[in-house]
Amino acid sequence: GDSVTQMEGPVTLSEEAFLTINCTYTATGYPSLFWYVQYPGEGLQLLLKATKADDKGSNKGFEATYRKETTSFHLEKGSVQVSDSAVYFCALTLPYNQGGKLIFGQGTELSVKP
Amino acid sequence: GAVVSQHPSRVICKSGTSVKIECRSLDFQATTMFWYRQFPKQSLMLMATSNEGSKATYEQGVEKDKFLINHASLTLSTLTVTSAHPEDSSFYICSAVGSGLAGGSSSYEQYFGPGTRLTVT
Repeated sequence: GDSVTQMEGPVTLSEEAFLTINCTYTATGYPSLFWYVQYPGEGLQLLLKATKADDKGSNKGFEATYRKETTSFHLEKGSVQVSDSAVYFCALTLPYNQGGKLIFGQGTELSVKP
Repeated sequence: GAVVSQHPSRVICKSGTSVKIECRSLDFQATTMFWYRQFPKQSLMLMATSNEGSKATYEQGVEKDKFLINHASLTLSTLTVTSAHPEDSSFYICSAVGSGLAGGSSSYEQYFGPGTRLTVT
């Protein structure tokens, strides 16, 4: 079945370090791909998305490219800040005619130290 | 735009009582709402999908008689945890998909509420 796999956390970085969080997926058809961020005690916020192959989503310095050939959607940021500390979820959504459900990866906790 | 609220944000109840959690779309009409459950340090688990005016569709393993979902209007869905027990303690999050949003419903983007922390004592 359809699934999303993320690299395990926690990931601990120093401020201004480069961030990569790996995400790969398995899906039939052509899903849309998302990165969500969850700050402690809060719900999820959409960080970025890509709806087709080779699309690049970007927001707040984060970016991810939809790679169909490697079934990946890795999240990157060139210089992280302490305020980026949160849990990051990679997700795919099934087509509308399959219920449009979001399938989440297990989440990767990021901790950025000053 | 695309704001989803949940009420209450936190609730503590005694074992055996029922608790209702509301999920509202504030500036759009939510044709579909999803209810998720999240355990500490874990991902979100989809519990059910609700479409306005019809019965909710529950995921395998979710007790529909225990977790009652009502999507009575295009802006409100409720989740009632009946006869709650300590093992029902969790973080419950709703999301909504709707019309009248940039990109239209074809983008099928889910907008999430802030979550409700339920503690059953």
